[in-house]
Amino acid sequence: QVQLQESGPGLVKPSETLALTCTVSGGSISSHYWSWIRQPPGKGLEWIGYIYDIGSTNYNPSLKSRVTISVDTSKNQFSLKLSSVTAADTAVYYCTRDTSGYGNAFDIWGQGTMVTVSS
Amino acid sequence: QSALTQPASVSGSPGQSITISCTGTSSDVGTYNLVSWYQQHPGKAPKLMIYEGTKRPSGVSNRFSGSRSDNTASLTISGLQAEDEADYYCCSYAVSGSYVVFGGGTNLTVL
Repeated sequence: QVQLQESGPGLVKPSETLALTCTVSGGSISSHYWSWIRQPPGKGLEWIGYIYDIGSTNYNPSLKSRVTISVDTSKNQFSLKLSSVTAADTAVYYCTRDTSGYGNAFDIWGQGTMVTVSS
Repeated sequence: QSALTQPASVSGSPGQSITISCTGTSSDVGTYNLVSWYQQHPGKAPKLMIYEGTKRPSGVSNRFSGSRSDNTASLTISGLQAEDEADYYCCSYAVSGSYVVFGGGTNLTVL
């Protein structure tokens, strides 16, 4: 079955760029919507954005100016870059797959990776 | 965009039924029945329980059901069990802007 695994630095300095990768195993990345979602410690879920159709993207309006999501079909991976990070970007970051085609039925989740923004 | 509105907490006794509400606007919950619901136990990734308003993924108990009336979606859990104690999040597609928005989450306590 399809599995997702996030990877990337667990510590990022303020004002720098957070970069994470999600590796898709057990299935092709060439279909479905693929999203990044985050959860600050003790708080709720926040959708960051998704990529679909191998390159089309849509982002959370509140993060849009700082977010880039891209895909590498040769590696079956998709990636997140979040620029100019602050302590408010400290969170568990999840990569997910949408099963419905509308972008918000996240049926498969990675285990999540904790990213701390601190100097 | 604004998060969807959920009660902070609900509780119920084993065997009872509870309902968690999720209020949005005519631009998200009220436009299409595209609300999804997630269950999250502490330290775990969320799990999809309901999608497209009323559909259950394979393997999800039929004790979980979804509905919608105007701008408010609801998740009903019948025959409460201790394992249902968790946080629950609603999520909607917002047609004006084509983005996704979550509710603030509801903590369910099984007494």
